Order: sequence, then structure tokens, then C-alpha cells
Amino acid sequence: GDSVTQMEGPVTLSEEAFLTINCTYTATGYPSLFWYVQYPGEGLQLLLKATKADDKGSNKGFEATYRKETTSFHLEKGSVQVSDSAVYFCALSEEKGAQKLVFGQGTRLTINP
Amino acid sequence: ETGVTQSPTHLIKTRGQQVTLRCSSQSGHNTVSWYQQALGQGPQFIFQYYREEENGRGNFPPRFSGLQFPNYSSELNVNALELDDSALYLCASSPQGVDGYTFGSGTRLTVV
Repeated sequence: GDSVTQMEGPVTLSEEAFLTINCTYTATGYPSLFWYVQYPGEGLQLLLKATKADDKGSNKGFEATYRKETTSFHLEKGSVQVSDSAVYFCALSEEKGAQKLVFGQGTRLTINP
Repeated sequence: ETGVTQSPTHLIKTRGQQVTLRCSSQSGHNTVSWYQQALGQGPQFIFQYYREEENGRGNFPPRFSGLQFPNYSSELNVNALELDDSALYLCASSPQGVDGYTFGSGTRLTVV
């Protein structure tokens, strides 16, 4: 079945550092791809999404590009802040339109001042 | 927008008991899904409801069941609780045909 593999954490960076969290996927069709963020004690918040190959999702300084040739959707941010500390989940939905989400295992990110 | 509201936020149950978790979907969202998130793991899909009908189910036993009501609110019922059912249970809603869900803050279930 479909699956998502994320870079293992935890990841610890200093403030203003460059962030990359790797995500690769396996899917039989043409999934939509997502990044969700989970702050301590909270549910998941949609960070960004891309619905077709070469689309770039972006939000709050984070970006990810849907790369069909490498089946990847890596999350990047040019300058992280302490407030970005959270757990990040890469996910796919098998088909377009409110289908079930398949999540990676999550990557815990800690930003030190 | 009122967002997705789940209740209760925490509860503790004894092995073998039954539990009902509740979810109020975001206004206008007719699709609701439930996920189980074990500690340190990504969420796992339990099932999805669209217009009061189950239209997708993950790899969970029948003792996990659900309902969706005409106002699109939803319940997750778990019978014969096991210790491994201890997890954060997340409800997510979406308008049908739209990519991306809005998640609630979850219910933390502890089975002792």
C-alpha cells in the first residue's frame, strides 16, 4: 500500500539556521501531498500542500515542492525561529478530494535561541 | 469558522470497558475522519464518514465503530478496551472534494 517515509529525528538547530526535513513517498496513483505540524498538546495543523507534480506549497516561510521523479516532498525553511519547534508530519492522500491521509512517523524539531 | 471540537480532552478507562468520543465538525464540512496516534507515531486512519455513511476504513478491528449525525457531528466508539488502545484520538473534517483536513485537538485516552 501507499506509504510515507520521513527523515528521522529529533532535529536540533539554532535560530536562523536553514531547515530541511526529508520526505519520500510510495503511491500507486497521483496523490496529493501535505505537511502538517503538531505543537505540544495540540492536534495537527495543515502547514502546506501540493496536489500535482512540480507544484510548490508554501506557508509561513516554509516550502515544499512535489517531485514526482524522485517521489519526494522535502520541507524547507530558510531561517527558523524558536516558535517553529514542533513535530512535523509528511502525509499523502491517495486520491484527490478528502480521502484518507497516510502519515509518516513525524520529525521532532527543536530550535535553540 | 468554529473549527473542529473534540470531547472529552482526556479520559482514563479500565481494560474491557467501552468508550465514546465525540467530535463537532467545522461548519460546512460533510466529511469526517478519525485517526489514532500512538505516542511518538504518526496518526493512523481508523475510518471516514460522508453524509452519515462509512466510506472508508483502515486496519482496525470491528470493536472500533462510528457514527455521523445529520449535523455532521460524529462519534467514535471503542468496545472491549485494550491497553494498546491508549493513544491520542484525532477527528478531522473537510468539505467533500477538498484536499486537506482540519483537525481537532484530540482526546487523550489512557487504558489501565
